[in-house]
Amino acid sequence: EIVLTQSPGTLSLSPGERATLSCRASQSVSSSYLAWYQQKPGQAPRLLIYGASSRATGIPDRFSGSGSGTDFTLTISRLEPEDFAVYYCQQYGSSPRVVTFGGGTKVDIK
Amino acid sequence: EVQLVESGGGLVQPGGSLRLSCAASGFTFSDHYMDWVRQAPGKGLEWVSMVYSGGSTYYADSVKGRFTISRDNSKNTLYLEMNSLRAEDTAVYYCAGGVTRYYFDFWGQGTLVTVSS
Repeated sequence: EIVLTQSPGTLSLSPGERATLSCRASQSVSSSYLAWYQQKPGQAPRLLIYGASSRATGIPDRFSGSGSGTDFTLTISRLEPEDFAVYYCQQYGSSPRVVTFGGGTKVDIK
Repeated sequence: EVQLVESGGGLVQPGGSLRLSCAASGFTFSDHYMDWVRQAPGKGLEWVSMVYSGGSTYYADSVKGRFTISRDNSKNTLYLEMNSLRAEDTAVYYCAGGVTRYYFDFWGQGTLVTVSS
């Protein structure tokens, strides 16, 4: 079973700064199977990126995803106040058929 | 508008049972893959189970043999039957769905399950 490791655990930045979040897989992951979510306190997660680099409907273009194989990145080009949240990467495994989440990266206000 | 509304959470003693429901609206339920994902207090997301549009089911090792996922396409409803509950099953349980099995397009607001004596 593939393990996803997200780093850093916490990222302290100011509005307007660039955020770079990492998701590393223990084995190669198909880019089609890699997604990113945003979760704010008391809310359900929201899909941001699917297929490693495609933005979900309604997601601003300051959010971008990249990577392949075992290394994936979520970049927020200029942080807005509403972007301070926890971000999770997620992969779908075809053998065995399980879904795995990373441990999350919290982006908080510096 | 897509809506997923979970219900059935609550306080249950260790070893007890609970059945969660998720009522779906605003999309063609029968065409979508549906999952349960949980989040223990202050912790990250943990996938629990999925059911394909055709009915195939899959489980996380942590719940295999204790939880059963099912769907009723005529009622646009997803279920999770939970038996032999343990303290470590305490979490907010989210219903989530997608047009593919690879990621979750939409989520419900969650229902809290607390396993405690």
